[in-house]
Amino acid sequence: GAGVSQSPSNKVTEKGKDVELRCDPISGHTALYWYRQSLGQGLEFLIYFQGNSAPDKSGLPSDRFSAERTGGSVSTLTIQRTQQEDSAVYLCASSQSAKSPLHFGNGTRLTVT
Amino acid sequence: KNEVEQSPQNLTAQEGEFITINCSYSVGISALHWLQQHPGGGIVSLFMLSSGKKKHGRLIATINIQEKHSSLHITASHPRDSAVYICAVRGWSTDKLIFGTGTRLQVFP
Repeated sequence: GAGVSQSPSNKVTEKGKDVELRCDPISGHTALYWYRQSLGQGLEFLIYFQGNSAPDKSGLPSDRFSAERTGGSVSTLTIQRTQQEDSAVYLCASSQSAKSPLHFGNGTRLTVT
Repeated sequence: KNEVEQSPQNLTAQEGEFITINCSYSVGISALHWLQQHPGGGIVSLFMLSSGKKKHGRLIATINIQEKHSSLHITASHPRDSAVYICAVRGWSTDKLIFGTGTRLQVFP
């Protein structure tokens, strides 16, 4: 069956441009998470959605980062005025509920030049 | 000090060896996850546990809530087990995960 789908798989952008990353969770999964993994680093939590609401936005690094989720399904992570330190792999995961196993997408590799 | 600590950071083994990866955490948790990340690949959830022990094939995960410690064991290791293994915990008061920095395992034939 379909897993978590992320697009694009790779994105190269110039410093200062805005980017939008998309996550299609597994159908019926109410919980959705965004993480990022910088080169050689561990996973860093960004934001968590339960349905369309985001009870925990504590991981967003700055106000240049925002995320939304519509229809309890697709989520987009937007980074405005990208900086080189934003370069990382952005991973999305979904689960049936907040207390269920996670299913990860393959990530979007973002490179800011 | 990180809230989730893994050891060792790096591990090499010969095919067939028994492998143990450890995870210690300092917060109260509702669940602990073990994840696997192959080089250049995605992340796969291996186990989610809140007590006791779980087994799947050659993989065994245990957790001791009182000691705030979990172990991931791999029996009869194989080169295809080479990956980064990540421990992550969910705290009582939050649904986000706190990740360890991972253990890089290489199994040689």
